[in-house]
Amino acid sequence: QQPVQSPQAVILREGEDAVINCSSSKALYSVHWYRQKHGEAPVFLMILLKGGEQKGHEKISASFNEKKQQSSLYLTASQLSYSGTYFCGTEEGSNYKLTFGKGTLLTVNP
Amino acid sequence: SQTIHQWPATLVQPVGSPLSLECTVEGTSNPNLYWYRQAAGRGLQLLFYSVGIGQISSEVPQNLSASRPQDRQFILSSKKLLLSDSGFYLCAWKTGGNTEAFFGQGTRLTVV
Repeated sequence: QQPVQSPQAVILREGEDAVINCSSSKALYSVHWYRQKHGEAPVFLMILLKGGEQKGHEKISASFNEKKQQSSLYLTASQLSYSGTYFCGTEEGSNYKLTFGKGTLLTVNP
Repeated sequence: SQTIHQWPATLVQPVGSPLSLECTVEGTSNPNLYWYRQAAGRGLQLLFYSVGIGQISSEVPQNLSASRPQDRQFILSSKKLLLSDSGFYLCAWKTGGNTEAFFGQGTRLTVV
């Protein structure tokens, strides 16, 4: 089942913050976050496995709620290089099926 | 180190022609392999995935098929392309569950 991402698009000025949400109707084994630049392959950001987990990567961090049905990606003090489409990917069980949300287009302007 | 190769990078094919896209992974064994399609400005749609040789799970009924003739080789095929098959095709691999996925550089297919 495809996870639901919101918002579909965000426009920021450099230095502003953004939050991207990813939700599922049932508990997940894991949630992945990727960023894709236009015309390129998606690049891995981080993976969360445990309910209540929080992870950080420079000024990009993510959380996984206790019920393991929702994850949020936090981008703080955004930089121009943060522009791209962000995808959350979810694994529902041990069958290794990895499905992605429809993506959030993030545009950071000077 | 592990690498993933996907080719060709771009392809222009007429409607009704066959298709064969190949993806190979080096430096690992028994990877899980995935084919995704991305229409212009859209999300990553899972087409097929495979957890072993000859084991293919299909996610979207369509005129595409996938095969895994060798452990680290994943092939996406079609007998007759449709205009709607145009898009950016991405192959990916990962080891086991709850692990990072690595993507190939993609094939941009235009059906004319």
